[in-house]
Amino acid sequence: GAGVSQTPSNKVTEKGKYVELRCDPISGHTALYWYRQSLGQGPEFLIYFQGTGAADDSGLPNDRFFAVRPEGSVSTLKIQRTERGDSAVYLCASSLTGPPGGGNYEQYFGPGTRLTVT
Amino acid sequence: QKEVEQNSGPLSVPEGAIASLNCTYSDRGSQSFFWYRQYSGKSPELIMFIYSNGDKEDGRFTAQLNKASQYVSLLIRDSQPSDSATYLCAVKGEKLTFGTGTRLTIIP
Repeated sequence: GAGVSQTPSNKVTEKGKYVELRCDPISGHTALYWYRQSLGQGPEFLIYFQGTGAADDSGLPNDRFFAVRPEGSVSTLKIQRTERGDSAVYLCASSLTGPPGGGNYEQYFGPGTRLTVT
Repeated sequence: QKEVEQNSGPLSVPEGAIASLNCTYSDRGSQSFFWYRQYSGKSPELIMFIYSNGDKEDGRFTAQLNKASQYVSLLIRDSQPSDSATYLCAVKGEKLTFGTGTRLTIIP
């Protein structure tokens, strides 16, 4: 079946602009996660959705970052007033279920969106 | 102390040999442990997960977990050049936390 998809694959924007990154999870997966990965680092957790609600947004670096998942499927990560330090690959993952339950927690990643802020 | 620690490598292993990748974690309450493979320029791909102490084998891959020592490892038998990648250890406590990854190179 189809995996996690993300659009766009690449986004170049100017400092101060607003961007939206989209994630379409695996069908039937209730949990959706956003991560950010910088060169030479592992993915860094940003936010986790269980259904439509943000169950854990403790990884969002500041109030310029916001994410929604209005119908419990597709999610959009929104970044306001972008800064050069926001440049990274933004990864989305989904799992069949999410914490705190065990099992079926395996996360599958999309191809990522490479964001470059000039 | 980092929550999940891995040797960044690079780790070079001859083709056909066993590659051993190690990971330690700090949260004793961690429940689930994952190994992801990431090729350059690509996203992480889940290759193994383990929830209980001991060994778990899947083809050429074996994951080993020792919760008392807070240690998880990945063994790759009969290493192939296509195994050359960065291997990320991920540990689930309240959320999934990744190490920085170990870069593995299989030498033909």
